[in-house]
Amino acid sequence: SQQGEEDPQALSIQEGENATMNCSYKTSINNLQWYRQNSGRGLVHLILIRSNEREKHSGRLRVTLDTSKKSSSLLITASRAADTASYFCATHGVQAGTALIFGKGTTLSVSS
Amino acid sequence: GAGVSQSPSNKVTEKGKDVELRCDPISGHTALYWYRQRLGQGLEFLIYFQGNSAPDKSGLPSDRFSAERTGESVSTLTIQRTQQEDSAVYLCASSLVSISGNTIYFGEGSWLTVV
Repeated sequence: SQQGEEDPQALSIQEGENATMNCSYKTSINNLQWYRQNSGRGLVHLILIRSNEREKHSGRLRVTLDTSKKSSSLLITASRAADTASYFCATHGVQAGTALIFGKGTTLSVSS
Repeated sequence: GAGVSQSPSNKVTEKGKDVELRCDPISGHTALYWYRQRLGQGLEFLIYFQGNSAPDKSGLPSDRFSAERTGESVSTLTIQRTQQEDSAVYLCASSLVSISGNTIYFGEGSWLTVV
């Protein structure tokens, strides 16, 4: 069964605006990761946040993690048309040897 | 290799035929994953390899699906007696080790269409 669930399913914004996507999960995790997918092909890793971290930044990306609420958010600041893609959260369980489980994703459209 | 390589990139097959999808992981990556993604949907976990063994096969949807990995390298996902609902992109990914915390690197996927 899928672990992460993103919200919203789709988001449309104008260039320059910020985009916020949320992810909720069900069981305890070791870490949570965000990936980006263009055109339904391979995914690209964006950022990883560990269960003992609360916030992480990478360029225009900001990720938060609230383990008490089992939720994470991905904020993309000053969005660009090139940010148009699908964004997925993925969780890694606490037990060794568990697979990375993905959510259903948020489709972001940034118009210029 | 430089990245995860998958073949074929596109495959059209008739219902009932068997198909084999191949994945060449990044050299040295001990963990290998297969996911399925139907059009407009999220990634569905299929199977994960650590070395040549598969500690987690829980995602394989039916006994028509099988996968193997040899030499801690190439993996093959086989779908027997394909059905139209098998149409999807099959994504392979690899990572250095399977301990939690490693980034996984994806191939471009194999798009399977069953007609």
